[in-house]
Amino acid sequence: DIQMTQSPSTLSASVGDRVTITCRASQNIVTWVAWYQQKPGKAPKFLIYRASILENGVPSRFSGSGSGTDFTLTISSLQPDDLATYYCQQYYSDPFTFGQGTKLEIK
Amino acid sequence: QITLKESGPALVKPTQTLTLTCTFSGFSLSESEMAVGWIRQSPGGALEWLSLLYWNGHERLNPSLRSRLTVTKGTSSNQVVLTLTNVNPVDTAIYYCVKGARRGDWFDPWGQGILVTVSS
Repeated sequence: DIQMTQSPSTLSASVGDRVTITCRASQNIVTWVAWYQQKPGKAPKFLIYRASILENGVPSRFSGSGSGTDFTLTISSLQPDDLATYYCQQYYSDPFTFGQGTKLEIK
Repeated sequence: QITLKESGPALVKPTQTLTLTCTFSGFSLSESEMAVGWIRQSPGGALEWLSLLYWNGHERLNPSLRSRLTVTKGTSSNQVVLTLTNVNPVDTAIYYCVKGARRGDWFDPWGQGILVTVSS
């Protein structure tokens, strides 16, 4: 199975900060990565596919990048509504696997 | 608007069989390239992909659960049923029904989830 390792596990930042979450795959997965946002008590919400393509309706402050084994999710200017846990997912091969999540806290 | 909703028992005893139903709307599983899947989330937050059932009947199951897991179309055309046999406490989780994307194996949208506790 392909392991997805996210860092950090927890991140505390202030409104307006630029925030970066990293996801590392245990093997080359090209750009077959998706990102999700899960707000407390809610189901995950799909944000990004193919590592960098934003789903329709996702605010433009979110962006994704990377290829091969290293990927990042960036929030250019953190907003209070971004309080959530973020997960990466590889869909290069099954079993499809997720990172362990990064909990984003607002200072 | 596409929606999915999970239904089933909230509590199951160890060694019993868990049966969950996903009822969806806004698309048809008979439509080309459609897929419905299941993902679960442990109490600690870890997400685990379980299955995908495609429009053509093809299925993909997580190998770690393959011996205990079955996914089928339901009696209604807008339902998918997950069956997990011989459950144990580590199967305690929120189970989500998800729609597979047409262009790749990501998941959007997700159902609200159903918490299933395995306990005697």
